[in-house]
Amino acid sequence: QLQLQESGPGLVKSSETLSLTCTVSGGSINSSTYFWGWIRQPPGKGLEWIGNIYYTGGTYYNPSLRSRITISVDTSKNHFSLKLTSVTATDTAVYYCARCYSGSSSHFDYWGQGTLVTVSS
Amino acid sequence: SSELTQDPAVSVALGQTVRITCQGDSLRGYYASWYQQKPGQAPILVMYGKNDRPSGIPDRFSGSDSGNTASLTITGAQAEDEADYYCNSRDSSGNHRFGGGTKLTVL
Repeated sequence: QLQLQESGPGLVKSSETLSLTCTVSGGSINSSTYFWGWIRQPPGKGLEWIGNIYYTGGTYYNPSLRSRITISVDTSKNHFSLKLTSVTATDTAVYYCARCYSGSSSHFDYWGQGTLVTVSS
Repeated sequence: SSELTQDPAVSVALGQTVRITCQGDSLRGYYASWYQQKPGQAPILVMYGKNDRPSGIPDRFSGSDSGNTASLTITGAQAEDEADYYCNSRDSSGNHRFGGGTKLTVL
């Protein structure tokens, strides 16, 4: 059974960089079929797609966040990572990682449990 | 527009049928996927593609699409179906977007 687990600091200071890692177990990140994505959810609000990465390193980013985000992949460690720079209170959210099939019937089929990141002033 | 629009809230009587809709231009070229989220939990995939259910999702959940609108139908809603439901779709640039979510109340 594929499992994804987010890890990283739960508290980040305003203007600094948020860094999270998603470790994949029970399957290989070296899949030609799937992308690997980050999604976030501010408290009490809806889901927001952040971006996807392919195992070769190709990326797709949410245009509204593109200038601040970097998603990278380390196939040797079977994990992928998110960096979000210059954070503010509006970046406080539960951050999820997920596996994404990105064909015409795209979908996120496996999700991590999520990790709450709070931006403090 | 690349946005996906959902009704904020829908209610259904126990055992009745409810349709949750999602509208957006990207749905003319790409299928929607649907996610159920209960309080304090991660979303789970309940529907994708033309009408595909992941393993373990009850067959009372079904999907359909027409033009720029995708629908998730629950036939014979159960108390455990009360949750937030989100649609998602990609666009031609490979970007994804979620709808604003629909809060389903089972009366």
